[in-house]
Amino acid sequence: KQEVTQIPAALSVPEGENLVLNCSFTDSAIYNLQWFRQDPGKGLTSLLLIQSSQREQTSGRLNASLDKSSGRSTLYIAASQPGDSATYLCAVRSGGSNYKLTFGKGTLLTVNP
Amino acid sequence: GAGVSQSPSNKVTEKGKDVELRCDPISGHTALYWYRQSLGQGLEFLIYFQGNSAPDKSGLPSDRFSAERTGGSVSTLTIQRTQQEDSAVYLCASSLGSWAYSNQPQHFGDGTRLSIL
Repeated sequence: KQEVTQIPAALSVPEGENLVLNCSFTDSAIYNLQWFRQDPGKGLTSLLLIQSSQREQTSGRLNASLDKSSGRSTLYIAASQPGDSATYLCAVRSGGSNYKLTFGKGTLLTVNP
Repeated sequence: GAGVSQSPSNKVTEKGKDVELRCDPISGHTALYWYRQSLGQGLEFLIYFQGNSAPDKSGLPSDRFSAERTGGSVSTLTIQRTQQEDSAVYLCASSLGSWAYSNQPQHFGDGTRLSIL
């Protein structure tokens, strides 16, 4: 059974700092890994999707990496801003069930002005 | 609409009542998913619809939960005889499909926050 863990559970940083969020998964047979952002009272916004054959994806100040063999992914946020404050969720689409996602519990990020 | 639409956004009901939650996916998306997000827990898969195929109900927590998708578009999730542990945010997502589009992202609605008194 696939399990996804996110560390840390919460992170507070000053504005402008670069930061890394971590995600690990137990079964390396995945189709892809997706990073989401969730604002309070809102649904999930897809940030980046990395296919199993890829090593990283970039969008603006965000960079996500994937090391499938070790079961790890990182989300790097450069020059953080207060507007980046949200919960960041990692989810994997596993090989045995190529449609449903298995989610971590998220990292609550607070960027202080 | 442009995104996945869910209604109601909030629902408060008494224990033992039935509730219906609605999801309107993105136009053209053949795959539809329901997830549950409980306080302190991660998102939990409930059910999956793909086109006209039989749904995957493997994530439904009990027989009090059911879902249908009419005409391959709008879906309703029904919870009968609600219990306090059913209190959660119920999220719906849609995507372009499954096998041929396994690397397409899932797009989520804002969810229905369900509170059972």
